[in-house]
Amino acid sequence: GAGVSQSPSNKVTEKGKDVELRCDPISGHTALYWYRQSLGQGLEFLIYFQGNSAPDKSGLPSDRFSAERTGGSVSTLTIQRTQQEDSAVYLCASSPQMAGDLDTQYFGPGTRLTVL
Amino acid sequence: AQSVTQLDSHVSVSEGTPVLLRCNYSSSYSPSLFWYVQHPNKGLQLLLKYTSAATLVKGINGFEAEFKKSETSFHLTKPSAHMSDAAEYFCVVSEGDTGRRALTFGSGTRLQVQP
Repeated sequence: GAGVSQSPSNKVTEKGKDVELRCDPISGHTALYWYRQSLGQGLEFLIYFQGNSAPDKSGLPSDRFSAERTGGSVSTLTIQRTQQEDSAVYLCASSPQMAGDLDTQYFGPGTRLTVL
Repeated sequence: AQSVTQLDSHVSVSEGTPVLLRCNYSSSYSPSLFWYVQHPNKGLQLLLKYTSAATLVKGINGFEAEFKKSETSFHLTKPSAHMSDAAEYFCVVSEGDTGRRALTFGSGTRLQVQP
């Protein structure tokens, strides 16, 4: 079946601009995660959505970062007033969180963000 | 809190020889452990996972890993390396105790396979 998809695959923006990154999870997966992969920090958790519960935003690095998930499916990660340190690959993952397999996450190909 | 330490940032082997990628973890709970692989400019692919069933876990492409609680290790092995195995490998632990089940990644091991 279809995996996790992300768009765009690459995004180049100027410092100070806002960007939106999109994630389409695997159909039926109730949990959705955003991670960031950067040279200096490795892979780090950003935000978690589970069903209709309030998202866990504890990994967001600043208030310039926000995310929403509409209808329990598609998610958008928004970065306002981008800075050069925001340059990274942003990865989305989804998980069925079924009994007996609560932890397995399936990753999309990522969006490579470059802030000039 | 959970943490993962990958003991080697780079490993180089010759094609046809065994692969060993080392991982130690720290967890307050019975952890779920994973190995993911990332080929250049590709997404993360799940290789295998340990979730408290058999301690020896078999994954895709001939990889396997053994969970050793006494050593807090989850090393990844393969009997015979193939050129296509060249990639970055991440040892990962799930934050199962926090409810959100976010993944904590090791720093990665880059595997080179020489012809």
